Amino acid sequence: GAGVSQSPSNKVTEKGKDVELRCDPISGHTALYWYRQSLGQGLEFLIYFQGNSAPDKSGLPSDRFSAERTGGSVSTLTIQRTQQEDSAVYLCASSSQGGRSEKLFFGSGTQLSVL
Amino acid sequence: QKEVEQDPGPLSVPEGAIVSLNCTYSNSAFQYFMWYRQYSRKGPELLMYTYSSGNKEDGRFTAQVDKSSKYISLFIRDSQPSDSATYLCAILKTSYDKVIFGPGTSLSVIP
Repeated sequence: GAGVSQSPSNKVTEKGKDVELRCDPISGHTALYWYRQSLGQGLEFLIYFQGNSAPDKSGLPSDRFSAERTGGSVSTLTIQRTQQEDSAVYLCASSSQGGRSEKLFFGSGTQLSVL
Repeated sequence: QKEVEQDPGPLSVPEGAIVSLNCTYSNSAFQYFMWYRQYSRKGPELLMYTYSSGNKEDGRFTAQVDKSSKYISLFIRDSQPSDSATYLCAILKTSYDKVIFGPGTSLSVIP
């Protein structure tokens, strides 16, 4: 299918380890978002890439979190020195219509468990 | 004050009932209003999108925006068990801004 693809779908790691989460947006979508969703909670904004503009990193909870988007397509969210409170589902979304944000297409997420 | 607030529920209704889901927001600068549906273990999917005030209808779903009250609603008529999901409102200031989501309301439609 041509939807947003995230990998891995599940990741179990030990406290203190680094993890990388990958997002493949829909081809041609210029805007890409990362959100975090904790159990029973809403979507917490992390970072937003819009075309060639500088990313909006205002939602990253600490300097242990970083993200990059290479070639305007694939994005990687990196969490260094993971903590138990980082356990959550990490969702990626991309938008159509020339990068407009009214309609986001989400992947199924990466379930991160930090032991 | 959070930018958007939503009663988390859970909300449980019998099949066929009319469901009303609501959100309030704090800043009058928001112009775009969306409702997303999220099934368990899936990413959210766009259900309805409205620009500025007014109503928008799509089948059994009606989205309503009252900018004067900063209040948005989603109505589901003739609710079905397949409507059981979490419903998230979302708001946007401009088309190229970041989307802000409400915490979501969990809905169960009982056969």
